[in-house]
Amino acid sequence: NAGVTQTPKFQVLKTGQSMTLQCAQDMNHEYMSWYRQDPGMGLRLIHYSVGAGITDQGEVPNGYNVSRSTTEDFPLRLLSAAPSQTSVYFCASSYSSPGPSSYNSPLHFGNGTRLTVT
Amino acid sequence: DAKTTQPPSMDCAEGRAANLPCNHSTISGNEYVYWYRQIHSQGPQYIIHGLKNNETNEMASLIITEDRKSSTLILPHATLRDTAVYYCIVRGLNNNDMRFGAGTRLTVKP
Repeated sequence: NAGVTQTPKFQVLKTGQSMTLQCAQDMNHEYMSWYRQDPGMGLRLIHYSVGAGITDQGEVPNGYNVSRSTTEDFPLRLLSAAPSQTSVYFCASSYSSPGPSSYNSPLHFGNGTRLTVT
Repeated sequence: DAKTTQPPSMDCAEGRAANLPCNHSTISGNEYVYWYRQIHSQGPQYIIHGLKNNETNEMASLIITEDRKSSTLILPHATLRDTAVYYCIVRGLNNNDMRFGAGTRLTVKP
């Protein structure tokens, strides 16, 4: 049981390049999310998904796209990288109880992708 | 903005209890108190959570005041491996409600 797997671990991009950060989980979790963490700060939510085919914006969505075609995968796309997107990116997942008042269990986090945009 | 206030840093002697405080004076009746920690740039790790009652698991204890405006995370016998940033977070039913603040940097010293 690998948990939440993020690839790559490190990436350097030039301004304007595009790339996709991969996130996969093997726990059959409905809820998945992406955070970014900047030096000395806590994590900020970029995008999240409550199930396959459903995504929504978090606190800082600009410059990022997501899709959720399967339960297992939740890739994060940078269409045109900017130096302001230099950060550490964490993917997380959790169980969601069924029903209209769905409760999310605590998050399981991956070990992050360290992205530098020059 | 984070709904919690934590001291920026604390020290603790190895083998002693570490008591990490958190203020959440605007907490709503249906909001939980969660604690996570982050060890040196790894992904955050869930520790414990509670609604009203005190909670204990294999990692820690959580003491929530009766008015729910503050709480304390207790690591009963801190080890060097407990050195980390500890985040106190208030959330409702959903994880997208969570807002991470700067946390408390706990340093366990030999």
